[in-house]
This record gives sequence, C-alpha cells and structure tokens, in this order.
Amino acid sequence: AQKVTQAQTEISVVEKEDVTLDCVYETRDTTYYLFWYKQPPSGELVFLIRRNSFDEQNEISGRYSWNFQKSTSSFNFTITASQVVDSAVYFCALLMTTDSWGKLQFGAGTQVVVTP
Amino acid sequence: SQTIHQWPATLVQPVGSPLSLECTVEGTSNPNLYWYRQAAGRGLQLLFYSVGIGQISSEVPQNLSASRPQDRQFILSSKKLLLSDSGFYLCAWTEGQGNYGYTFGSGTRLTVV
Repeated sequence: AQKVTQAQTEISVVEKEDVTLDCVYETRDTTYYLFWYKQPPSGELVFLIRRNSFDEQNEISGRYSWNFQKSTSSFNFTITASQVVDSAVYFCALLMTTDSWGKLQFGAGTQVVVTP
Repeated sequence: SQTIHQWPATLVQPVGSPLSLECTVEGTSNPNLYWYRQAAGRGLQLLFYSVGIGQISSEVPQNLSASRPQDRQFILSSKKLLLSDSGFYLCAWTEGQGNYGYTFGSGTRLTVV
C-alpha cells in the first residue's frame, strides 16, 4: 500500500516569511513519481512540480524550492519570502509506475495562509 | 495545446434530483480520465477513472456513476442525489500512466439541498 502524509493541516505566516510544507510518502516501489499541486481559492488544481524517484536533486523555481530525500521518504516544499498570492491549499501526491491506470494518491493537503 | 473543460461551475440541486456533470478534453487523443471529489475539508477522493471509451472503473461504491461515450468526454451522473453528494468535483486527464501528472478542470461546486 502507498500513502502520502501531510501532517500540517494549516500554516499561517506573515508576508515575506518562509514557509515549509512537509510531505512524507510510503511505497514499496522503487520507481515512482512525486508531485506538488496548488489549489487557490478558485478551486482549480495547479501543477507545480514533478519528481521521479531516481532524481534526488533539489529544485528551485523562483521563490519555490523542493527537497527530495529518499532516505526519509520525504518531499518537502518551501516557499521563500511568502506573498499573499501564495495563500492556497497545497497537495503532495504519489504515482506508482506499476499502476497502469495512473492513479494519483493525494495527501490531505496543507492550507497556507499568508497575511500582509 | 491541450485543454480541459468542465461544467457547470456551480450547481444547487434538491435531494432526489438527477445529476449530470460533463468534462471534455481537447488537443489529445485517448487520454486517461478521472473524476475526483473534494468533500468537506480538503481531501481529494478518486471516484472513477477511464482508460478508454466505455471503460470505467470505480474506486468507491456510491450513489454516482460515470460514463465515457466519446474518447474525450467523461460524464459523472446520479439518478437521485443525496445530501452527502455535496462537494467539489474535479475532472482530470493524463497521458499514458500519468508520469507527467494530471491536468485538472476548473471544478464543479455541487450543493445538494
């Protein structure tokens, strides 16, 4: 069985503070993919990043960065110098390549609230 | 480029009434299609998925059904809505096994009264 855990239900920060969202996953597969999605108040899910299990290189995209550590089964997401527009629910998700149906397993999500 | 359309955006329906939500994808062929529901709170629950016309798999037994009458059309239905069917419904598509992630529609907010 596989599972994605986002232990933080809600994180509140003041603008310009950094915020780190934790994601811990469980899978027995050696090949898998991890994703982060953003859900703003409008509801639509926006793709942020995809990482395969063989690529542990950390990634930075503007104010966003991701730390993938297979040793601890974690794929954490950091927003640097947060802005009010970052307020949203963020989902971590897992896809096993052995799943021919392509079913993403989502975590429960973390609500990020950025106040001015 | 590929796009996904989902409608309606908002729907208020009385208990016992039928439901039909539609999702269409443009710019690709033979996509994998999915229906998710987001009930109270934030969790995303996979309801149905389809890898081809007429091929529907259900993840959770419930009051809903899905159909795929055309390659790029996915429909979520119910004959009689329950209060518990209220939620935010998202359609999504992916190519192949989904290695590159899903693209989601804009969602339908359903309130059953």
